[in-house]
Amino acid sequence: EVQLVESGGGQVKPGGSLRLSCAASGFDFTSYSMNWVRQAPGKGLEWVSSITTGSTYIQYGDAVKGRFTTSRDNAKNAVYLQMNSLRAEDAAVYYCARDRSYNFLRGSPMAWFDSWGQGTLVTVSS
Amino acid sequence: QSVLTQPPSVSAAPGQKVTISCSGSSSNIGNNYVSWYQQLPGTAPKLLIFDNDKRPSGIPDRFSASKSGTSATLGITGLQTGDEADYYCATWDGSLSNVLFGGGTKLTVL
Repeated sequence: EVQLVESGGGQVKPGGSLRLSCAASGFDFTSYSMNWVRQAPGKGLEWVSSITTGSTYIQYGDAVKGRFTTSRDNAKNAVYLQMNSLRAEDAAVYYCARDRSYNFLRGSPMAWFDSWGQGTLVTVSS
Repeated sequence: QSVLTQPPSVSAAPGQKVTISCSGSSSNIGNNYVSWYQQLPGTAPKLLIFDNDKRPSGIPDRFSASKSGTSATLGITGLQTGDEADYYCATWDGSLSNVLFGGGTKLTVL
């Protein structure tokens, strides 16, 4: 059974940092690109980042570019989201999601997120 | 304001059919694949449709989708109260270099 389990969420002050982790199991982690998607309270879904199998392509949404860094450790079946310079508008549930495919020809995610974690809540408040 | 436009809400009676539209442009829907997600209250999203019109295993054929030009449509037939959820479309935007989600549509089964 495919499982994605996020951790690392919590409360942080504006300007602070947080590192989220996503532990994957039940599938060949090295064969899938992974993504982070967030959802602010009462709001819609917002794509945060994508990372390909060998970390060749790492992409970010405009709202987090330059502040967030995505990485993965294929030996540990884990993907990470380092969040720096956090703002109030970054407060959200952060989901880890597996992409069913990746368009290497275009260098872009297919956005076919077929497995999701339960999410981890990030609160940004002074 | 989302680049992909969905109606905020739709409603229909049990057993009926409903469609949810997702309107974009040539830089996103027009030249990329569309996916659809169902998010039941308090849960993570679930992939309903990928590659414009394909259902993952386990998704009933009551759910269907199509794409034409710069718009996509999700259809749900034989509505059940358990279908009450938020529905999102998504695709890549080549101009913005971002994955885009529609603003979401809340389905009410009356």
